[in-house]
Amino acid sequence: ETGVTQTPRHLVMGMTNKKSLKCEQHLGHNAMYWYKQSAKKPLELMFVYNFKEQTENNSVPSRFSPECPNSSHLFLHLHTLQPEDSALYLCASSQVGAKNIQYFGAGTRLSVL
Amino acid sequence: SQQGEEDPQALSIQEGENATMNCSYKTSINNLQWYRQNSGRGLVHLILIRSNEREKHSGRLRVTLDTSKKSSSLLITASRAADTASYFCATAAGIYNQGGKLIFGQGTELSVKP
Repeated sequence: ETGVTQTPRHLVMGMTNKKSLKCEQHLGHNAMYWYKQSAKKPLELMFVYNFKEQTENNSVPSRFSPECPNSSHLFLHLHTLQPEDSALYLCASSQVGAKNIQYFGAGTRLSVL
Repeated sequence: SQQGEEDPQALSIQEGENATMNCSYKTSINNLQWYRQNSGRGLVHLILIRSNEREKHSGRLRVTLDTSKKSSSLLITASRAADTASYFCATAAGIYNQGGKLIFGQGTELSVKP
């Protein structure tokens, strides 16, 4: 266990559905991240939250909507996704500072039909 | 542009052999980290080397850093079948780490055959 829990582990959704991914960290960290990992592609940073404030949005389409209600929880709201959005979505947390070692959840495997 | 590029993309060795993976990056860094990912799972931090360090060891892992060449290598000695995974380098840039951001390489898929 890394101290970062993601739910659900697997999700299948249609292109017209609305769903949410949840991430919770029990490490007392002050930063949380969403990454997308597609087959044969490098890890793509989507969003960064520092102290609950979004500090980075890497040109992510608006059909992905993040929410960080407190420093322990991070959500990714999904709506009208495309089949190419099928991927492994990883959440991570860290204590921002000199090292910034990131701790990852096990990920949500998303399939968009 | 991709900060970290790793080679080889895939490496297949026998148990007991050593595995070496390389990572190159483009901009100045605060530190460089290596992570491991088992298939379909999250990444796990292995080792961190600071920009003012040249070599670091942790168990069977040895990491080197050459800031003049903007490159790093990860050596796994006496590999085991359980070492089969993807390995990623990640760089933390700038004095204040740009708010915690890490830039990951494309990864090396290591297969260790028993």
